[in-house]
Amino acid sequence: AQTVTQSQPEMSVQEAETVTLSCTYDTSENNYYLFWYKQPPSRQMILVIRQEAYKQQNATENRFSVNFQKAAKSFSLKISDSQLGDTAMYFCAFTTFYNQGGKLIFGQGTELSVKP
Amino acid sequence: NAGVMQNPRHLVRRRGQEARLRCSPMKGHSHVYWYRQLPEEGLKFMVYLQKENIIDESGMPKERFSAEFPKEGPSILRIQQVVRGDSAAYFCASSPSELGALNTEAFFGQGTRLTVV
Repeated sequence: AQTVTQSQPEMSVQEAETVTLSCTYDTSENNYYLFWYKQPPSRQMILVIRQEAYKQQNATENRFSVNFQKAAKSFSLKISDSQLGDTAMYFCAFTTFYNQGGKLIFGQGTELSVKP
Repeated sequence: NAGVMQNPRHLVRRRGQEARLRCSPMKGHSHVYWYRQLPEEGLKFMVYLQKENIIDESGMPKERFSAEFPKEGPSILRIQQVVRGDSAAYFCASSPSELGALNTEAFFGQGTRLTVV
């Protein structure tokens, strides 16, 4: 079975500092996508960053970057210069190419609090 | 281009009633996914539909739950004879093609929070 595990239920960080959220996954597939989604109190799911497994280069989006370790099946999210608006639940997710119809498998989430 | 629209945002039903949740995908999107989020948990896949077809319903309970995506109109997730355990947030996502295809992204609606009393 394919699974996604986020081992940190809650984390906190001071404003302007850096925080790293952990995610591991399990699959026998070789080609897949990984995602980090943000869910603020409004409940809207917002895509933060995505990584294609066939790309060795780690994805970056402004203050957000990932550390993708394919052999270790690890996909951590680093948030630099944390802002109060980053306070939210963060979900790691995974999907394979084509053969599962594109359904996303989500981790349990990490609740991040950014403190002033 | 409006985003994925779900309605209602909040729905209260008594045990035994029916719940109908609607999802209008983004313009040009023909792929719809439904997810359920129980309190303090991540989203769990329920069903994947393309226009008029159910592609994958492996995450949907066999009884009381059904989904459709007609040629015209929104996708509907229907829960018959609701029970307290159905209380959750139900999210719809849409994409222009099968997620996993290059550069395809799923866009989520704001969800419908179902409360069964």
